[in-house]
Amino acid sequence: SQQGEEDPQALSIQEGENATMNCSYKTSINNLQWYRQNSGRGLVHLILIRSNEREKHSGRLRVTLDTSKKSSSLLITASRAADTASYFCATGLGSSNTGKLIFGQGTTLQVKP
Amino acid sequence: GAVVSQHPSWVICKSGTSVKIECRSLDFQATTMFWYRQFPKQSLMLMATSNEGSKATYEQGVEKDKFLINHASLTLSTLTVTSAHPEDSSFYICSAQWGAISNQPQHFGDGTRLSIL
Repeated sequence: SQQGEEDPQALSIQEGENATMNCSYKTSINNLQWYRQNSGRGLVHLILIRSNEREKHSGRLRVTLDTSKKSSSLLITASRAADTASYFCATGLGSSNTGKLIFGQGTTLQVKP
Repeated sequence: GAVVSQHPSWVICKSGTSVKIECRSLDFQATTMFWYRQFPKQSLMLMATSNEGSKATYEQGVEKDKFLINHASLTLSTLTVTSAHPEDSSFYICSAQWGAISNQPQHFGDGTRLSIL
């Protein structure tokens, strides 16, 4: 079953603008991960934030995690046309040691040149 | 970075055919591999978790006799869709992970698009 809900479902912005995607989840987690999927391809891991972390940066990506609200956000700054893709959050469950991730529904981002 | 190769990338076959999909981790030992199914414009649905040398753990609602998973080595897992029918048409994606806990990223193959006529 899907645990994560992401919003917006779709986002269209101009190149150079920032894009913010949000993810909410329901159960306790030990980490939250963000992945990117180009159309018809596999997923690429972007960033992992542990449950005891509040913010993490990687290049133009900034991820926040609020475990009290069970939510996370992914910010892409100075977006480029090449950032056009679907973005998924995925949670590693706190009570699980199987390595299993539960994926959200995803946000489809279109960056117009 | 870690590389996972999935083969074939595209399969078109007749109803009743069995189809085997391979997932290989090329530069690391994958203790755990995962198989997902994805319908158009939807998220990934986990089908099963595969650990090297042991039986796969299937998610609720996934038929283990329909979707046979073999994880014979630390670098190879296979998914066989037996007696495939049109409703099995989908995008199948594998991922591989070092270790069996979820605080490691998963490394994904590029997926296999399966079309059953």
